[in-house]
Amino acid sequence: QVQLVQSGAEVKKPGASVKVSCKASGYTFTGYYMHWVRQAPGQGLEWMGWINPNSGGTNYAQKFQGRVTMTRDTSISTAYMELSGLRSDDTAVYYCARDKMGLCLDVWGQGTTVTVSS
Amino acid sequence: DIQMTQSPSSLSASVGDRVTITCQASQDISNYLNWYQQKPGKAPKLLIYDASNLETGVPSRFSGSGSGTDFTFTISSLQPEDIATYYCQKYTAFGPGTKVDI
Repeated sequence: QVQLVQSGAEVKKPGASVKVSCKASGYTFTGYYMHWVRQAPGQGLEWMGWINPNSGGTNYAQKFQGRVTMTRDTSISTAYMELSGLRSDDTAVYYCARDKMGLCLDVWGQGTTVTVSS
Repeated sequence: DIQMTQSPSSLSASVGDRVTITCQASQDISNYLNWYQQKPGKAPKLLIYDASNLETGVPSRFSGSGSGTDFTFTISSLQPEDIATYYCQKYTAFGPGTKVDI
C-alpha cells in the first residue's frame, strides 16, 4: 500500500539544524511532488514547500526561504527537509505529504515531532 | 498570496445532526479547494478534493460544494468518529480549522 514513513522525534538546541526524512513506498516516488507541512502545538497547518522528486526542483514558502532545504534520494525513495537556525517557535510536528495531481495532498506521513529547547 | 478563512472556528453538535462549515478564499480559486479531517495526534486525512469530489473510501455523509471564493463542507449526519478538526486548503494555503465536538 502507498505509505510515507518519517524519521523519529528530534530535540534540538536553538540555532541548530534538523533534517527530517520521509520514505515513500507503494508507488513511483518520482511521479509525485512531495510537500512539507508543519503544525505547532495547538495550532493549525502551515505549508512549508514542495520538492519535485524527479527533477529536484523546489518551491519554498516565503516565510522559510533561506532556512529550509528540501532534497531527495531517488535510489531509496526518500525525501528530506532540513531546517536551519532553529528557534523555539519552530517546535512543531512536521509532516510530509504526497501531491495528487498538483491539487491536493492525498497521502501523509505520520509526522515527526521537532522540539527546540535550550 | 491567497488567504483562507473558515467559520465557525468551533462548533458543538449532537449525533445525527447536520453540520456545515464554510471556507472563504481571498480571491477566485475556481474549484481548487480541498477539505481535510485531523483527529488529535494524527496526520490530516484528505476527505474532499476539487471542492466536491469525495476521496476514495470516505463515507458519503461527507460532502462539499462551492466555487470561486465561497465553499461549504457538510456532514449530513454527525457520527461520534467525526470528532476532529477540519481544514480547508487551496494547495499552499490552509484555513485556520474548525473544531467539531459532540
